[in-house]
Amino acid sequence: DVKVTQSSRYLVKRTGEKVFLECVQDMDHENMFWYRQDPGLGLRLIYFSYDVKMKEKGDIPEGYSVSREKKERFSLILESASTNQTSMYLCASSLVYSRGGYTFGSGTRLTVV
Amino acid sequence: AQKVTQAQTEISVVEKEDVTLDCVYETRDTTYYLFWYKQPPSGELVFLIRRNSFDEQNEISGRYSWNFQKSTSSFNFTITASQVVDSAVYFCALNNQGGKLIFGQGTELSVKP
Repeated sequence: DVKVTQSSRYLVKRTGEKVFLECVQDMDHENMFWYRQDPGLGLRLIYFSYDVKMKEKGDIPEGYSVSREKKERFSLILESASTNQTSMYLCASSLVYSRGGYTFGSGTRLTVV
Repeated sequence: AQKVTQAQTEISVVEKEDVTLDCVYETRDTTYYLFWYKQPPSGELVFLIRRNSFDEQNEISGRYSWNFQKSTSSFNFTITASQVVDSAVYFCALNNQGGKLIFGQGTELSVKP
């Protein structure tokens, strides 16, 4: 069963901490994405990657960075966590020509206190 | 500008009722793709359907049906004879040739027994 795995389901961090959210896919997909989900706002794209060591900013990249050293792994980094980054984070992957047919992970609910 | 609007934030129905979830989109592209995803309480978004902009034929899959109308830029989703297991958040999304999915705000459907 192919899947996208996010390392943590729930995470609580303190303000100012550096936070790593990990995402691994086993489908050999070229594309990987990080979204943030907030009530009333839907899913907003933070960063995406079309290839190893390649990254592009999405709609809300401020306060975040990403790393893609291997094709199967895409990490989201909060350099200095703040309370307004409390949210649900969803990772997704797709084939390069899938035209939006993404496979999503189960999400990480991050609380910054 | 690309935009997806789901005006219904929450819908509550009683089991066996029919329910329609509305989706209106904006795009200047002539080639694009529209999607519906379901997010059950487990958190993982599940792909339901993809339609391309050149195919306006409506589609039915069991109790689910989709009505795509380019004239009104709408892609509505109807669940016939709703069941408790249909309770979830449903997202409409748009994908242009740039490869990124743009999501609506989501509609939370609650089906009560």
